[in-house]
Amino acid sequence: DAGITQSPRHKVTETGTPVTLRCHQTENHRYMYWYRQDPGHGLRLIHYSYGVKDTDKGEVSDGYSVSRSKTEDFLLTLESATSSQTSVYFCAISMTVSNQPQHFGDGTRLSIL
Amino acid sequence: EDKVVQSPLSLVVHEGDTVTLNCSYEVTNFRSLLWYKQEKKAPTFLFMLTSSGIEKKSGRLSSILDKKELFSILNITATQTGDSAVYLCAVVNAGGTSYGKLTFGQGTILTVHP
Repeated sequence: DAGITQSPRHKVTETGTPVTLRCHQTENHRYMYWYRQDPGHGLRLIHYSYGVKDTDKGEVSDGYSVSRSKTEDFLLTLESATSSQTSVYFCAISMTVSNQPQHFGDGTRLSIL
Repeated sequence: EDKVVQSPLSLVVHEGDTVTLNCSYEVTNFRSLLWYKQEKKAPTFLFMLTSSGIEKKSGRLSSILDKKELFSILNITATQTGDSAVYLCAVVNAGGTSYGKLTFGQGTILTVHP
């Protein structure tokens, strides 16, 4: 298995609170990604990173921010959580941007009440 | 906007059956197509396809890409209960601001009964 650890694995929180999810990798891969997975929508890209301090938006980035201060860590923050952000969040990593597949972490199940 | 459509959305078979899962796509600049298997947790990588007509094979699973007709199929022969999972198809964009981004289909839920 790719060395990807997501934390926490489960979280329940209330609307309006800030939430930070962490993705940690031991593979030294340059590229890291955050997805959310919802019934009927498949996996959708939130944000991605192509290096330390280099990040960009995906297709569903509103309400989310990210940071990458070290190669191994990619943080996803919900500034003020809403119920529509209840989802399963997956982190992925890849060695190259298009010639190698992305490998996924085990996900974080986030419930916002 | 890139688009990936998988069919069927769900499929129920018995052990020993052969199944074919379909993936059609529209992407502005195609780079590759990937298949993943998702059980309870992380999607796990199965195949990456970049060239038309070249079959990729791993045990009972095989996949092929048709870049002219814009689709791929994933075949599973002699299915087992352990093949029960969601199978995800994704395409990689090779151009412009979407370079390297994956667009996923909704997935096909495969259930294999003993």
